[in-house]
Amino acid sequence: GENVEQHPSTLSVQEGDSAVIKCTYSDSASNYFPWYKQELGKRPQLIIDIRSNVGEKKDQRIAVTLNKTAKHFSLHITETQPEDSAVYFCAASKGSNYKLTFGKGTLLTVNP
Amino acid sequence: GAGVSQSPSNKVTEKGKDVELRCDPISGHTALYWYRQRLGQGLEFLIYFQGNSAPDKSGLPSDRFSAERTGESVSTLTIQRTQQEDSAVYLCASSSGSSGNTIYFGEGSWLTVV
Repeated sequence: GENVEQHPSTLSVQEGDSAVIKCTYSDSASNYFPWYKQELGKRPQLIIDIRSNVGEKKDQRIAVTLNKTAKHFSLHITETQPEDSAVYFCAASKGSNYKLTFGKGTLLTVNP
Repeated sequence: GAGVSQSPSNKVTEKGKDVELRCDPISGHTALYWYRQRLGQGLEFLIYFQGNSAPDKSGLPSDRFSAERTGESVSTLTIQRTQQEDSAVYLCASSSGSSGNTIYFGEGSWLTVV
């Protein structure tokens, strides 16, 4: 089955700096790659996703890139703010009718 | 409803007792998922429903765990003879099951086995 590896497990940055979280996946048939943000004690919430027919997607300060050949995708957060502090999970799926397999998460801390 | 609803939000049970956790997905969502999240850990897949059938139940950790879904709506996750290692947040999620696979999570049911 699918295996998703996520790095780093913890990341500390200064406010205003950029943060990058990287994930690799094992199943070349995977074609959907979402990112979830989970604040302490809260549910995971989708922040951005990308499908295999595009290489990059941006939404304000957040961007995701996908390299299908290398089977890795990354989350980029620019101009980080303290409210960006949370655990971020990447995931991969073969699309509708298949489960999402999650990475183990990255604890991002943005220091003011 | 407006979002995925789960109950109870918190449950404390004695070791060896059975528990039932309920999930009410977003109206019209055909796909429903159960995940488990231990404290400070990642999201562990348990089971997936498409309609009332479960094409993937590969994540259920033992035969003490079972789930059902009726009316293509509400799902119940049952844990029999609970053990302390079952303590975790049980997250339900749903998706439209059509275009893509965007899933939306409920707030979770926090289970503590004492």
